Amino acid sequence: DQQVKQNSPSLSVQEGRISILNCDYTNSMFDYFLWYKKYPAEGPTFLISISSIKDKNEDGRFTVFLNKSAKHLSLHIVPSQPGDSAVYFCAASGGSGGSNYKLTFGKGTLLTVNP
Amino acid sequence: AAGVIQSPRHLIKEKRETATLKCYPIPRHDTVYWYQQGPGQDPQFLISFYEKMQSDKGSIPDRFSAQQFSDYHSELNMSSLELGDSALYFCASSPNSGGESDEQYFGPGTRLTVT
Repeated sequence: DQQVKQNSPSLSVQEGRISILNCDYTNSMFDYFLWYKKYPAEGPTFLISISSIKDKNEDGRFTVFLNKSAKHLSLHIVPSQPGDSAVYFCAASGGSGGSNYKLTFGKGTLLTVNP
Repeated sequence: AAGVIQSPRHLIKEKRETATLKCYPIPRHDTVYWYQQGPGQDPQFLISFYEKMQSDKGSIPDRFSAQQFSDYHSELNMSSLELGDSALYFCASSPNSGGESDEQYFGPGTRLTVT
């Protein structure tokens, strides 16, 4: 049962435009959400996170929005750059009792930013 | 800045052999997580350690064991290897701040191939 879902396997945008990556989750006990970027043959790189007590967190070109009632979050990248081309994973933690910090990942979205 | 170090980066083993994967967390990080990523899959949580004690356990086979040492490095021991164990194994570390969810920082991974 996939508790974190990224329904778009791929996304293609033009350089300078906005990239919007979406993520849905089913476990209402998740209380912390993260976005990771992954290049081939490398480990996931942390991008940005958001706690369930917030609905928005911004860091430079990256903004994450959380809609708890819809169990939905999104990552906005503005402006998109060719170097942003990578697989983006949505991850969530919390809800299992005890140590809640293990991450549950979505299957990832391949973002391609075209020059 | 220092990152998570994993060794070896690549490992080829035959069925029924054993393998040991090592992880050196970022300095002053006391929590280590292990994840397995199969081909085309999202990373799956295996096991975690906080202050040298196992803190959580996921979908880790009984053939696998792990520990965290006094210098906070961790080793994942895998015995009776099967073809299905072929995957990328990631280690992540975080500076557990005593009850808060912290970002996890991932190493480059060890690619294990079982033939």
